[in-house]
Amino acid sequence: GQQVMQIPQYQHVQEGEDFTTYCNSSTTLSNIQWYKQRPGGHPVFLIQLVKSGEVKKQKRLTFQFGEAKKNSSLHITATQTTDVGTYFCAGYSGGGADGLTFGKGTHLIIQP
Amino acid sequence: ETGVTQTPRHLVMGMTNKKSLKCEQHLGHNAMYWYKQSAKKPLELMFVYSLEERVENNSVPSRFSPECPNSSHLFLHLHTLQPEDSALYLCASSQEPGHGNQPQHFGDGTRLSIL
Repeated sequence: GQQVMQIPQYQHVQEGEDFTTYCNSSTTLSNIQWYKQRPGGHPVFLIQLVKSGEVKKQKRLTFQFGEAKKNSSLHITATQTTDVGTYFCAGYSGGGADGLTFGKGTHLIIQP
Repeated sequence: ETGVTQTPRHLVMGMTNKKSLKCEQHLGHNAMYWYKQSAKKPLELMFVYSLEERVENNSVPSRFSPECPNSSHLFLHLHTLQPEDSALYLCASSQEPGHGNQPQHFGDGTRLSIL
């Protein structure tokens, strides 16, 4: 079945440093979604990427979808303490009743 | 306020007990989901309901029994659970039945502990 690998599992950064998490799918995706889960909270939808090579920005967050639609990345510029949490990618291959396949997530820990 | 409400927030039960988890969505969505979130594992999709019909069951043991009486409510009935079933159970909803390409809105989850 479809697998979505996400690295790194944990990332410690100093406040103000940049952060990147990477997502790779074993199959070509129809779209990919990104979610953020704060400690003790629930996943919250951030964005969806659909087109090959697509790049989207939300303030300090930049999301990319690879040309082959098998990988994606989330980059945060100048991290702040409010960015703490776990970032998940979730891929959808399309067709049938298959739902989203989530990666294990990257836990972002920020040291002030 | 997430628009998706789950109760209870915490549940401790013995392996022989029977309990139910409840989820209610106030977003007018057509699809609802149950996920299991364990430490160091990806979110695992358990069940999908689209327009009140179950469309996916990801090889979930029969000790978990879902019920969707209408498009706003979803239940997960539990009986004879095992210690490895201890986890955070998340409910989610999305607007369209084509659930893979729609944002999913999650509830706060039920933290389940099996003694």
